[in-house]
Amino acid sequence: DAGITQSPRHKVTETGTPVTLRCHQTENHRYMYWYRQDPGHGLRLIHYSYGVKDTDKGEVSDGYSVSRSKTEDFLLTLESATSSQTSVYFCASSRDRDLHHSPLHFGNGTRLTVT
Amino acid sequence: AQSVAQPEDQVNVAEGNPLTVKCTYSVSGNPYLFWYVQYPNRGLQFLLKYITGDNLVKGSYGFEAEFNKSQTSFHLKKPSALVSDSALYFCAVRVPYNQGGKLIFGQGTELSVKP
Repeated sequence: DAGITQSPRHKVTETGTPVTLRCHQTENHRYMYWYRQDPGHGLRLIHYSYGVKDTDKGEVSDGYSVSRSKTEDFLLTLESATSSQTSVYFCASSRDRDLHHSPLHFGNGTRLTVT
Repeated sequence: AQSVAQPEDQVNVAEGNPLTVKCTYSVSGNPYLFWYVQYPNRGLQFLLKYITGDNLVKGSYGFEAEFNKSQTSFHLKKPSALVSDSALYFCAVRVPYNQGGKLIFGQGTELSVKP
């Protein structure tokens, strides 16, 4: 395993509050990703990073921001949480950009509930 | 547009029987296809991939998948199911590099293997 740790594992927060989810990997992987998992939608990419301070948007990036100040850490911030952001969030990493040579390694997820 | 579909939300199989989890895809260019498995309260784990070559791909835990270009399918199979195979299975396709090179996941199929 790539040794990906997500924190917290569970969080309940109120609408309108900012929330930060943390992802830490110990494999020195260059590429990191944040996904959300929702029933009927599978996994959808929120943001990804291709190096320190280099990030880009995925398909469902509205309402989210990310930061990567170190290779091992990738933070996801919900600027003002909404009920539609209730979901399970997964962080993943890969050694290479070529995902057919370097499969994704996933953390165990963070279950976020926005009330 | 690139997409992947898993037509069955749930598949039920008796232990010892063969299993099939279906996946169809739509992608421009050569398809790079993947299967991932998710056990309860865990992140996704890579099972197998098709890049090129033999249409029958073998992966972890005795699983295999058959690529069929004419039917644009990539069905996951196992000759003899185990109760421990019960999990959520995701098919994924890699988007071409000029569109980001990321993975698009299907909505997932829950496999239940009964003793």
